[in-house]
Amino acid sequence: EVQLVQSGAEVKKPGESLRISCKGSGYSFLSYWINWVRQMPGKGLERMGTIDPTDSYTNYNPSFQGHVTMSVDKSINTVYLHWSGLKASDTAIYYCARVLPAAANDYWGQGTLVTVSS
Amino acid sequence: DIQMTQSPSSLSASIRDRVTISCRASQSISTSLNWYQQKLGKAPKLLIYAASTLHFGVPSRFSGSGSGTDFNLTISSLQRDDFATYYCQQSYNTLWTFGQGTKVEIK
Repeated sequence: EVQLVQSGAEVKKPGESLRISCKGSGYSFLSYWINWVRQMPGKGLERMGTIDPTDSYTNYNPSFQGHVTMSVDKSINTVYLHWSGLKASDTAIYYCARVLPAAANDYWGQGTLVTVSS
Repeated sequence: DIQMTQSPSSLSASIRDRVTISCRASQSISTSLNWYQQKLGKAPKLLIYAASTLHFGVPSRFSGSGSGTDFNLTISSLQRDDFATYYCQQSYNTLWTFGQGTKVEIK
């Protein structure tokens, strides 16, 4: 069974750093890119960027470039999303999603709620 | 940037109604269009990709059509399990932008 399991909810203060994770199982991890998608409270979906687990190639949405970093640890089939300086506006649910060759997201993680508040 | 505009933003319908949701792209995207369903508090689920290909396990009452700039998602006979928010997404360029969503509610 294909699964993407994300790390748990986080509560942080502005300016703090954070790394959340997404672990893939039940499929060939290196064969599929992973997207990160943001959903702010009560709002729609925004693709943040894509990572190729094979070579760590990344493609960021310009709106998120420079504010987040995506990375991968192939040895444990896990991708990460990292912030070095959180803002209150980063409060959202973050999803990872597997990318089909047809460029659709077929499997999604359960989401990680990040709350940034002083 | 390619903008995706869904209509309506919300609709009320009854069980067994036929429902159509529209999605318009600001420029031609060929058939690079996907549809997702999201229920409250849950991750989105892929329904249709490449404009009209039903994802594995998705009920046949869902169908997608269109090409270029205009696309539709149709639910032929609305079931209780279908009350949710639906999003289109273009995959023509790497921004992969989503529409703003259409909420389907019970009448």
